[in-house]
Amino acid sequence: QKEVEQNSGPLSVPEGAIASLNCTYSDRVSQSFFWYRQYSGKSPELIMSIYSNGDKEDGRFTAQLNKASQYVSLLIRDSQPSDSATYLCAVTPQNDMRFGAGTRLTVKP
Amino acid sequence: DADVTQTPRNRITKTGKRIMLECSQTKGHDRMYWYRQDPGLGLRLIYYSFDVKDINKGEISDGYSVSRQAQAKFSLSLESAIPNQTALYFCATQGSNQPQHFGDGTRLSIL
Repeated sequence: QKEVEQNSGPLSVPEGAIASLNCTYSDRVSQSFFWYRQYSGKSPELIMSIYSNGDKEDGRFTAQLNKASQYVSLLIRDSQPSDSATYLCAVTPQNDMRFGAGTRLTVKP
Repeated sequence: DADVTQTPRNRITKTGKRIMLECSQTKGHDRMYWYRQDPGLGLRLIYYSFDVKDINKGEISDGYSVSRQAQAKFSLSLESAIPNQTALYFCATQGSNQPQHFGDGTRLSIL
């Protein structure tokens, strides 16, 4: 089992819809959780961080964390074509950070 | 100016050559990391360093070496490059209890 698992996609949604991205992790000691957005050929860009169970909202983005079930998700409301990218989930089980392979999202106009 | 600067941005070289990728940061972070990214495989950790005297292997360190010359500088070397080291390489920094911040990457092609 990989430490951080994400569906590779591609996930395709129409413009204006809600995109839902999921991530599960294996190490229960993980305390910090992050979502990065990566455009093709570019570096990962931090878009959300979450540290406690529940929801955290920032603009059109909502991160959800459930430590008991070991999953973290990212919802993107009112999806825009500019949201088309690969989304990386990252967790911090020890002193370093472990990344999922990413989910490729395509938002169709 | 970028907080995390990687040089060069692109490099094409031949099998067997020694290559150095450099990373410098102005964020004042103690922790620095080198990753490689291959299509469909996500980010894989090569080496990381928590301060100038600390060097740690990541999951794919074979064929690579690093040097932490100062808090702000962390270089990655390929002693004898081989084609399967063709990839996109990222340097990242991290402050205590903070997320990682990435440089713009180095696209390396080994012929």
